[in-house]
Amino acid sequence: GDSVTQMEGPVTLSEEAFLTINCTYTATGYPSLFWYVQYPGEGLQLLLKATKADDKGSNKGFEATYRKETTSFHLEKGSVQVSDSAVYFCALRDFGYSGGGADGLTFGKGTHLIIQP
Amino acid sequence: DAGVIQSPRHEVTEMGQEVTLRCKPISGHDYLFWYRQTMMRGLELLIYFNNNVPIDDSGMPEDRFSAKMPNASFSTLKIQPSEPRDSAVYFCASSFEGPEDTQYFGPGTRLTVL
Repeated sequence: GDSVTQMEGPVTLSEEAFLTINCTYTATGYPSLFWYVQYPGEGLQLLLKATKADDKGSNKGFEATYRKETTSFHLEKGSVQVSDSAVYFCALRDFGYSGGGADGLTFGKGTHLIIQP
Repeated sequence: DAGVIQSPRHEVTEMGQEVTLRCKPISGHDYLFWYRQTMMRGLELLIYFNNNVPIDDSGMPEDRFSAKMPNASFSTLKIQPSEPRDSAVYFCASSFEGPEDTQYFGPGTRLTVL
C-alpha cells in the first residue's frame, strides 16, 4: 500500500538556519504530493503541493521538489524563523490507488520543528 | 468565512459512554473528511463524504464508529460505546474539489476516554 516516511524529530534549529525535512514515499500509481503544517493547538494547513514529477511547490519561503527517481519530496527553507516552529506533515494522494485503507490523503507521522531565537 | 468549525474542542468521558463529535464545513465545499490523530498511528483518514454521501469509510476502525452528514453544513462522528483506545484528536476537514484539492482543517476535538 501507499506510505509516507519522514523524520519525526524533534528537529531543533537556531533562527536563520537552513532547514531540510526529508520525506520519501511509496505509491502504486501517480501521486500528488503535499506538505501540511500544524501550529500548536490548531488544525493542519496546506503549505505547498506538487502534482507531477519535477514540479516545485513553494510558499512562505518553503520549497519542495517532486523527485520521482528518488521518490522524495524534501521540504527546504533557506532561513527559518521562530514563527516556523510547528509540526510538518508530508502527504500523498495516489491516483493509481487500489485497495487497502481509505482513498484519501496518506500522511507521514509528522516532524516537530523547534526554532530557537 | 469562519473556516471549519468543530465542537466540542475537548471531551472527557468514561468508557462505555456514547460520544458525538460535530463538524460544520466551509460553505460551498462539497467534500468533508474525518481524521483521527494519535501519537502511535499519526494522522489517519476515517471516512469522507462527497455531497453528503459517504464515499469511502474503509478507514473507520470498527462498528462502534459511525458518521453521518444529514445536510451540506453538518456532519457527526459517533462512537458508541467508547473505549480508552479511542482517545485521540479528531479532525474534520473540507475541500471544494476532492481529496487532492486543498483541505481546510478544523481545530480538532481532543477526546479522552477514561
